[in-house]
Amino acid sequence: QSALTQPRSVSGSPGQSVTISCTGTSSNVGSSNYVSWYQLHPGKAPKLIIYDVSKRPSGVPDRFSGSKSGNTASLTISGLQAEDEADYSCCSHAGSSWVFGGGTKLTVL
Amino acid sequence: EVQLVESGGGLVQPGGSLRLSCAASGFTFDSYAMTWVRQAPGKGLEWVSDISTSGGTAYYSDSVRGRFTVSRDNSHNTLYLQMNSLRAEDTAIYFCARRIIGGFEYWGQGTLVTVSS
Repeated sequence: QSALTQPRSVSGSPGQSVTISCTGTSSNVGSSNYVSWYQLHPGKAPKLIIYDVSKRPSGVPDRFSGSKSGNTASLTISGLQAEDEADYSCCSHAGSSWVFGGGTKLTVL
Repeated sequence: EVQLVESGGGLVQPGGSLRLSCAASGFTFDSYAMTWVRQAPGKGLEWVSDISTSGGTAYYSDSVRGRFTVSRDNSHNTLYLQMNSLRAEDTAIYFCARRIIGGFEYWGQGTLVTVSS
């Protein structure tokens, strides 16, 4: 149950786009349709922003999009806004368990 | 409105036990699988355990299997995590979450467990 690999940090200016990668293996990301992404703010409940690789829950802006290629999933945030500054974590189903990424801190410059 | 409220965290000595609770409201509790996820200080999220809608099936991470037990009381809309033989590395914020097939749809704000002498 090794963690998925995410960059420790990414940054972008308001209005720009950023992409966060999430690399796993053929045992998790590569073979799963159940990749999800979460937004974390300190002291608050984590928020689901992408599930099933690319689906958005109701209420999540379409600036957030997800995709997958091989063993790597990606979260793209377009039209960056100040409130997007947070930690982002990916997650993949892996058989009878789930594995998360180490998290990426997004800084909006 | 879906609400998940964890409780039961605190300071416990190594080798000790603690039982966490997660009170659910705003949805039909027994229609959803539930999950515990934790986050150690300065670390990423870590999946801990899953339990089916009826409570009849449970899964655990390798790091807690044999020490932690997940259960649920559908008549009281409450999820539990019994944690035994606690170790320093179990120190974390513990979140409960409502699970959908593809992920974890709603989360509580978490309860802090500190294992230290």
